[in-house]
Amino acid sequence: AQSVTQPDIHITVSEGASLELRCNYSYGATPYLFWYVQSPGQGLQLLLKYFSGDTLVQGIKGFEAEFKRSQSSFNLRKPSVHWSDAAEYFCAVGLLVKAAGNKLTFGGGTRVLVKP
Amino acid sequence: DVKVTQSSRYLVKRTGEKVFLECVQDMDHENMFWYRQDPGLGLRLIYFSYDVKMKEKGDIPEGYSVSREKKERFSLILESASTNQTSMYLCASKEAGGGGEKLFFGSGTQLSVL
Repeated sequence: AQSVTQPDIHITVSEGASLELRCNYSYGATPYLFWYVQSPGQGLQLLLKYFSGDTLVQGIKGFEAEFKRSQSSFNLRKPSVHWSDAAEYFCAVGLLVKAAGNKLTFGGGTRVLVKP
Repeated sequence: DVKVTQSSRYLVKRTGEKVFLECVQDMDHENMFWYRQDPGLGLRLIYFSYDVKMKEKGDIPEGYSVSREKKERFSLILESASTNQTSMYLCASKEAGGGGEKLFFGSGTQLSVL
């Protein structure tokens, strides 16, 4: 069965510093890969996704992610963090289950705290 | 503005009660999902549906059932609530497709079972 691992439960970063969140997946083929963000009291919002093509993917809010097949990783980065980036971030893998349906498996999440 | 609406933001129930969590989407999406979210465990899929009256078990279906009588509505049912079902429940929907479609989430229902 597929799995998604986010090794860091919490990360604290200073405002203006760079941020990198790690994600590793386990699956036989290359699945769809996603990063979602959940701000306090909110539902999840899609930041970016990858399936094929350029391995560096640009998303919303200045985030990017790089797919590395050899490492089964899909790490999320932001060059300069803003206080509003404090949230919980989830990596997810999407798999086709049936012709008309499929499901996403999520990692455990990484909570990001931003220091002034 | 597209919307996934969950009927309750907070819910408190007693052990053994039958609990209904309702979710409605206004985007004519074929696929709908129920997840539970627990600290450190992320989101775990309970059930999903890819068409009216069709359902598939997710990773943790035990103790839950679902109903999808209409395309826009997907209900999660706890037949006999237990304290270990205290959690945040998230509903989501998306278009049918090969797996790369964006999920739209509701704001969640925080269920406490006493």
